[in-house]
Amino acid sequence: AQSVTQLGSHVSVSEGALVLLRCNYSSSVPPYLFWYVQYPNQGLQLLLKYTSAATLVKGINGFEAEFKKSETSFHLTKPSAHMSDAAEYFCAVIQGGKLIFGQGTELSVKP
Amino acid sequence: NAGVMQNPRHLVRRRGQEARLRCSPMKGHSHVYWYRQLPEEGLKFMVYLQKENIIDESGMPKERFSAEFPKEGPSILRIQQVVRGDSAAYFCASSTDRTGSGNTIYFGEGSWLTVV
Repeated sequence: AQSVTQLGSHVSVSEGALVLLRCNYSSSVPPYLFWYVQYPNQGLQLLLKYTSAATLVKGINGFEAEFKKSETSFHLTKPSAHMSDAAEYFCAVIQGGKLIFGQGTELSVKP
Repeated sequence: NAGVMQNPRHLVRRRGQEARLRCSPMKGHSHVYWYRQLPEEGLKFMVYLQKENIIDESGMPKERFSAEFPKEGPSILRIQQVVRGDSAAYFCASSTDRTGSGNTIYFGEGSWLTVV
């Protein structure tokens, strides 16, 4: 069964600093992987997805993620954090036709 | 092109009452999913439906919870005899077809249930 694990339930960065949110997957077959963002009291918005077309995936709001099979990872990065990036981020994998989510990482951005 | 529409956005029920949450998928989407987000927890899959069919209900509690997606009208998540532990955000999502090919699943804004 496919699953994802997000390392770190809370990450804090300074405005302008690099954002790195970690996600590792477990899958016996090539996975479809997603990153979603959730702002307070709102639904989930798709940031980007990996469907095996390219290992480096660019998403919205300046985020990108790299699929690394050797490390079974799909970490989310952004070169320079903005205050508006403060939110909860979820990594997810498709299993049985449905999304299975990691526990989420709350990103705080300090001025 | 309207997104996934959920209503009500906020619902307060007393213990023992019934809660009905509605979800209209995006236009052209025939697959609907329900997820629950408990306070300080992640998103847990509940049920996956197609029109008139339940595809996967492995995440649904065995009692008091049911879901349907009729031929006409929205999908309904029904919680009977609510208890305080049912207080959570319930999210609906939809997609065009089975996500095995990596099709995107789009989420609604959620319905926040509070049981008092």
